[in-house]
Amino acid sequence: QKEVEQDPGPLSVPEGAIVSLNCTYSNSAFQYFMWYRQYSRKGPELLMYTYSSGNKEDGRFTAQVDKSSKYISLFIRDSQPSDSATYLCAMSGDYKLSFGAGTTVTVRA
Amino acid sequence: ETGVTQSPTHLIKTRGQQVTLRCSSQSGHNTVSWYQQALGQGPQFIFQYYREEENGRGNFPPRFSGLQFPNYSSELNVNALELDDSALYLCASSLVGLAGRDEQFFGPGTRLTVL
Repeated sequence: QKEVEQDPGPLSVPEGAIVSLNCTYSNSAFQYFMWYRQYSRKGPELLMYTYSSGNKEDGRFTAQVDKSSKYISLFIRDSQPSDSATYLCAMSGDYKLSFGAGTTVTVRA
Repeated sequence: ETGVTQSPTHLIKTRGQQVTLRCSSQSGHNTVSWYQQALGQGPQFIFQYYREEENGRGNFPPRFSGLQFPNYSSELNVNALELDDSALYLCASSLVGLAGRDEQFFGPGTRLTVL
């Protein structure tokens, strides 16, 4: 079993829809939770960084963390074609990040 | 503020050769981590350098080695290249302080192809 599980998709939604992404994990030592966006052949870009359970909102993005269920989510409201990318969840308990496999999202105009 | 930069952008090598990849960390950051990302996969942690010392290592063989310099830039060296080493190599920099919390910011990566 992988430490971090993420449905690879692909996910295709119409412009303006809500995109819902999620990851599950098995390591109880994880304390920090992140979402990265990666465009094709580029490096990952940090979108959201959360520490505790609960919600964190930043513009159209909302990150949720449920440590009791070992489950994290990212919601993108009013999705735009420019949101088309691969979204990677990542988490850490010490010095290294453990990533999910990434979910490829396409927002259709 | 200068972001993380990596060189070269692309590299083609043959099996058995050696390669050196370079990374300049973001201004003000003191820690560099290296990751390997195979096609269609998430990045895998190789190792991290803090104050010029290896601070932790993932499940990679000793032929993967690194250095961090006093200006916090870093090198990743891979000896005896194998076909499976073909991947995007990512460098991430962060500022590790007393709280131990670090947000890692990635460079654009070096795409290595081993033939």
